[in-house]
Amino acid sequence: EIVLTQSPGTLSLSPGERATLSCRASQSVSSSYLAWYQQKPGQAPRLLIYGASSRATGIPDRFSGSGSGTDFTLTISRLEPEDFAVYYCQQYGSSPPGFGQGTKVEIK
Amino acid sequence: EVQLVESGGGLVQPGGSLRLSCAASGFTFSDHYMDWVRQAPGKGLEWVGRTRNKANSYTTEYAASVKGRFTISRDDSKNSLYLQMNSLKTEDTAVYYCARVLTTVGGGPFDYWGQGTLVTVSS
Repeated sequence: EIVLTQSPGTLSLSPGERATLSCRASQSVSSSYLAWYQQKPGQAPRLLIYGASSRATGIPDRFSGSGSGTDFTLTISRLEPEDFAVYYCQQYGSSPPGFGQGTKVEIK
Repeated sequence: EVQLVESGGGLVQPGGSLRLSCAASGFTFSDHYMDWVRQAPGKGLEWVGRTRNKANSYTTEYAASVKGRFTISRDDSKNSLYLQMNSLKTEDTAVYYCARVLTTVGGGPFDYWGQGTLVTVSS
């Protein structure tokens, strides 16, 4: 089973700043089958990025994903007020398709 | 418009059973793998299990934490997904989401989620 570790646990930033979130896998994620989700309080998660770097439908281009193997990054180029939320990475290249523990992006 | 609507959550005693449903619309349900994901209060996301599509013989997979207690099924004629939960434990308390796998061939990320249904296991 692949274990995903996200860092940092909490990121305190101001609107307009750049956010860099990390997701590290315990073993290589096959074919870069790595996704990122955003979740706001009381809402279901929303798919942002899949295949490590492909934006899902309707996702603004300030969200970008990169990485391969065991190290992946989600970057939000300029934080908008609606971007403050919890972000999860997920690998779906092997079973079980597990999630990281999440990174909370909060307003500084 | 793709919609997933869960129902069936509620309060159940430890050792009890509950059946969740997920009604799908706006897409060809039979083409997609469908999964259940849960989230305990204040915690992260935990994958529960999956049912593959007809082309893959409706095979299922489960997380180790629920294997042998939970059963996933689907009825393509009703565009519905189900989660039968038996021998419930307090640690099964969570919001349960049904989620559509993006691709119709093999596994993939979850591109649509329901709003979730809360299951509380308590005496």
